[in-house]
Amino acid sequence: SVLTQPPSVSGAPGQRVTISCTGSSSNIGAGYGVHWYRHLPGKAPKLLIYDKTNRPSGVPDRFSGSKSGTSASLAITGLQAEDEGDYYCQSYDGSLSVWVFGGGTKVTVL
Amino acid sequence: EVQLFESGGGLAQPGGSLRLSCAASGFTFSGYAMAWVRQAPGKGLEWVSVISGSGGTTYYADSVRGRFTISRDNSQSSQNTLYLQMNSLRAEDTAVYYCARLSTMTVAAAFFDYWGQGTLVTVSS
Repeated sequence: SVLTQPPSVSGAPGQRVTISCTGSSSNIGAGYGVHWYRHLPGKAPKLLIYDKTNRPSGVPDRFSGSKSGTSASLAITGLQAEDEGDYYCQSYDGSLSVWVFGGGTKVTVL
Repeated sequence: EVQLFESGGGLAQPGGSLRLSCAASGFTFSGYAMAWVRQAPGKGLEWVSVISGSGGTTYYADSVRGRFTISRDNSQSSQNTLYLQMNSLRAEDTAVYYCARLSTMTVAAAFFDYWGQGTLVTVSS
């Protein structure tokens, strides 16, 4: 994938976990938006964070996004069992002229 | 409430064709660009194609360009429907195909704000 994410992260209930998303100067580093989604098997993917740090209505403030240089991160604080799922970052790549996703990160609540 | 419902998936032979549909409701369909995104078994999300609100501008991933055609019918009589015509299908096109609404046609900022639940396409002999 053009955007690189760790395959998995895990944490105990109540803990904080972060998911990294590493890109390049043609996507995240070029100033294109960074967005995050959660995907549960058999369900529609859901937008969690858009434009690096913004949450759609209904998304808890336990989810937060940040960006630095060519990378971005999603943080989940106060981890809950319902947070399990696959998380994807997404941006646009100006060199390839395509919308790009990270490979996905599976979040497991221990 | 925004709703997107895909249909048309199924089993196709290599070299065959399928047409996917996505019925949209709950928003002004012609005012938004729409997209198809797929997920192959055990893989992550992959953007496939985007079409502008008017239908006049389209984009394709290299993996499907020349084989897939995105289109849309913005008329009420068609129930505001997005299509994906898939020709010359290959085994690697096997995936769940999702339609999604694009937040804006300004590519620098665009994200997929609403998604359908997907339709499975299997390409196999």
